[in-house]
Amino acid sequence: EDQVTQSPEALRLQEGESSSLNCSYTVSGLRGLFWYRQDPGKGPEFLFTLYSAGEEKEKERLKATLTKKESFLHITAPKPEDSATYLCAVQGFGNEKLTFGTGTRLTIIP
Amino acid sequence: KAGVTQTPRYLIKTRGQQVTLSCSPISGHRSVSWYQQTPGQGLQFLFEYFSETQRNKGNFPGRFSGRQFSNSRSEMNVSTLELGDSALYLCASSLGPGSSYEQYFGPGTRLTVT
Repeated sequence: EDQVTQSPEALRLQEGESSSLNCSYTVSGLRGLFWYRQDPGKGPEFLFTLYSAGEEKEKERLKATLTKKESFLHITAPKPEDSATYLCAVQGFGNEKLTFGTGTRLTIIP
Repeated sequence: KAGVTQTPRYLIKTRGQQVTLSCSPISGHRSVSWYQQTPGQGLQFLFEYFSETQRNKGNFPGRFSGRQFSNSRSEMNVSTLELGDSALYLCASSLGPGSSYEQYFGPGTRLTVT
C-alpha cells in the first residue's frame, strides 16, 4: 500500500528565513508526486507535479525536488502570506487515487 | 475558467440521517474523486468516477456511495450518519485517464453530525 510521511509536522520561521519541508514516500510504480497548499477552511490548492527522480519545479519562492524515495519543498525568503499547511501526495500507476501525507503546518512570523 | 464547485458548503445533520453532497468539476474534466478530511486521519480517498463509472474505491463502509452523471457532475451520499462522519468532504476533478494527472480541489462541504 502507498504511504507518505511528511516532516516536520509544524514549522515556524521568521520572515526571510529559508527552509525545506520533507516528504518521504513508498509507492509501487510512481505516476506522480504532488504538492498542494491548504489554507484553513479551504480545499487544497495545486502547486506542483513531479514525475521522475531528478526533476525540479519552481514557483515564486517555492521549489520542489524529487528523488526515488523523497521530495523536498524548499521555501526561499518566505513571507507571512506563505503561511499554510503544505500537503504531499503520491499517485501510483493504474488509478487516480491520491495518497496524502498529514501535512506540514508552516507559519511565517513577520 | 471556473473551478470545482461544491454544494452545500456547510451541513448539520443528526445521527441516523442521510446526506447528499454535490460536486461540479472544472469544464472539460471528466474524472471526479472524493476525499474525506479529518484532523486525526488527514485526507483519505473515498472513490473516483470516470464516464459515470466508479473506477476506484477507498476503505470506507458501504454507507458511503456516489455516482456520476453524463455531464461529469458527481454526488456522494452517506446514509445512517454517525458522529465520526463529521468531516470536510472534498471533491477533486481531473481530465481523466491518459491525460494530465493533476487533481484540482473544490472548497469542500463541512459536514457536522450531532
